[in-house]
Amino acid sequence: AQSVTQPDIHITVSEGASLELRCNYSYGATPYLFWYVQSPGQGLQLLLKYFSGDTLVQGIKGFEAEFKRSQSSFNLRKPSVHWSDAAEYFCAVGAATGRRALTFGSGTRLQVQP
Amino acid sequence: DTAVSQTPKYLVTQMGNDKSIKCEQNLGHDTMYWYKQDSKKFLKIMFSYNNKELIINETVPNRFSPKSPDKAHLNLHINSLELGDSAVYFCASSQEGYEQFFGPGTRLTVL
Repeated sequence: AQSVTQPDIHITVSEGASLELRCNYSYGATPYLFWYVQSPGQGLQLLLKYFSGDTLVQGIKGFEAEFKRSQSSFNLRKPSVHWSDAAEYFCAVGAATGRRALTFGSGTRLQVQP
Repeated sequence: DTAVSQTPKYLVTQMGNDKSIKCEQNLGHDTMYWYKQDSKKFLKIMFSYNNKELIINETVPNRFSPKSPDKAHLNLHINSLELGDSAVYFCASSQEGYEQFFGPGTRLTVL
């Protein structure tokens, strides 16, 4: 069965500092990987996705993520965090066919200090 | 031109009542989903429909029944509501297995 682990429940960074959110997955085949962001009281917005090809993917709002098959990881990074980045971040794994539902990690809450 | 919309956004009701949440997508996607987000923010799939056909039905009480009148709509009906049903319910859609687009969520509170 597929699973996603986000080991950091809560992270606090200073505005302007770099950010890395960790995500490890377990999946039997090549996964489809996603990062979503949820602001308080809001729905989920897709930040970026990996299906195949280049293992470094660029997303919206200056985020990027790197797929490392050997480490079963898909960590999210941003070189300089803005106060508006404070939110809950979810990593998810899915499949192209068959069971298409996403399996989500438990989320990482990001706080940004001024 | 909202891509995935849900109504209502908030739903407060008494235990034992029956309620429905509606979802519509205008993206032309072939697959729609219902997810439940609990109080700890954990998201879990409940149901998935592909071209109006149920393809995923997780271990969800029989009190929950999805209905898809057409490809663009997926409604969730809940009978005999219980306190534990309180959560945020998200509808989503995708084309095949590609990225899913989520609605704004429906916060259900059962008193």
